[in-house]
Amino acid sequence: SQKIEQNSEALNIQEGKTATLTCNYTNYSPAYLQWYRQDPGRGPVFLLLIRENEKEKRKERLKVTFDTTLKQSLFHITASQPADSATYLCALGSNTNAGKSTFGDGTTLTVKP
Amino acid sequence: NAGVMQNPRHLVRRRGQEARLRCSPMKGHSHVYWYRQLPEEGLKFMVYLQKENIIDESGMPKERFSAEFPKEGPSILRIQQVVRGDSAAYFCASSQGMGDEKLFFGSGTQLSVL
Repeated sequence: SQKIEQNSEALNIQEGKTATLTCNYTNYSPAYLQWYRQDPGRGPVFLLLIRENEKEKRKERLKVTFDTTLKQSLFHITASQPADSATYLCALGSNTNAGKSTFGDGTTLTVKP
Repeated sequence: NAGVMQNPRHLVRRRGQEARLRCSPMKGHSHVYWYRQLPEEGLKFMVYLQKENIIDESGMPKERFSAEFPKEGPSILRIQQVVRGDSAAYFCASSQGMGDEKLFFGSGTQLSVL
């Protein structure tokens, strides 16, 4: 069955450092991969989407890579700030079931001042 | 431009009662999705609807759960005869469809079954 694993449930880093979150998947050939941010008591907020034919995507301090051979995506936040503290979710999707994204359990990032 | 609106924000029901969760998608969006998030677990897909049609309900429990998205009005997720295990956060998301895969989520409805 399809499985998505996000690295360690919790990640703690110092302000100013780069946070790197990992998303690994098995038994899936996604057409695209998305990253979302979720704050406590709120719904997820879309951050970035990367397609299977793309290696890397950037948006401000965020960078996503997608390696379909390794079946892995890395999500980087550079110059991290305490305001970046949240849970980050990766989600896989296929073109045949747009919207029916399969979500990982998330990694909770804490950035300490 | 209002985002996805869900109500109520919190819903308390006793076992055996019915729960009705409402979702109004973003303006211009005709695709609605319902997800459930159990404590300490990830988001699980339940159902995908377009106006007046259920497109994919593969994540919906076979009994007690139903969803609709009428021509007029919000999408409704209905849970009949609730049990304690139904306690969870229920999120609605919407998208434009037509190849736009970004999901816009509401703030969710926290259902507590006593």
